[in-house]
Amino acid sequence: AQTVTQSQPEMSVQEAETVTLSCTYDTSENNYYLFWYKQPPSRQMILVIRQEAYKQQNATENRFSVNFQKAAKSFSLKISDSQLGDTAMYFCAFMKQDKRRFNDMRFGAGTRLTVKP
Amino acid sequence: SQTIHQWPATLVQPVGSPLSLECTVEGTSNPNLYWYRQAAGRGLQLLFYSVGIGQISSEVPQNLSASRPQDRQFILSSKKLLLSDSGFYLCAWSNYTGRSGNTIYFGEGSWLTVV
Repeated sequence: AQTVTQSQPEMSVQEAETVTLSCTYDTSENNYYLFWYKQPPSRQMILVIRQEAYKQQNATENRFSVNFQKAAKSFSLKISDSQLGDTAMYFCAFMKQDKRRFNDMRFGAGTRLTVKP
Repeated sequence: SQTIHQWPATLVQPVGSPLSLECTVEGTSNPNLYWYRQAAGRGLQLLFYSVGIGQISSEVPQNLSASRPQDRQFILSSKKLLLSDSGFYLCAWSNYTGRSGNTIYFGEGSWLTVV
């Protein structure tokens, strides 16, 4: 079974600075997807960034980028120029690329990020 | 573009009362549909998923049930709520096609408090 581990329950960063959130996962699969979701105080889960395991190039979405190390099974999220609106719970997630129709997504326990003014 | 809506946003129900949370998806066809629960300060737990009309799979045995009466409609129900059913419930969808393939998208969530 796949497991996702986020070893940092809480983190904080000063506004405009850079912060990196860690995520490791355990799988025997070769083809899969990795995600970071953001859950602000409103509680809605918002997709931040997605990485396909077969792609060596790290995904980037504006101020958000990932460092995907497939051999090490590591998938960290870097937030540059942190903004107050980035304050949220961040979840790392894993999904197999499976020939079956159902896509099972596994989530880490989350990292609570606080951006300080 | 695809959208997902779930309601009600907030619900306070007494123990032993029934429950019905509803979710609809627009802008896509034959999606996979999901119900997740998030207890306070915890991660997400998959409760049910559906790959088609009338096809429901349960991940966790409990007093909740799910139904999919139409392609883009997913309902979470209970005949008699327990205190332990309190939590934040999220409906979600995914499909296999296009740029968003194999990505799960979530609704706004529903807060359930059982008193």
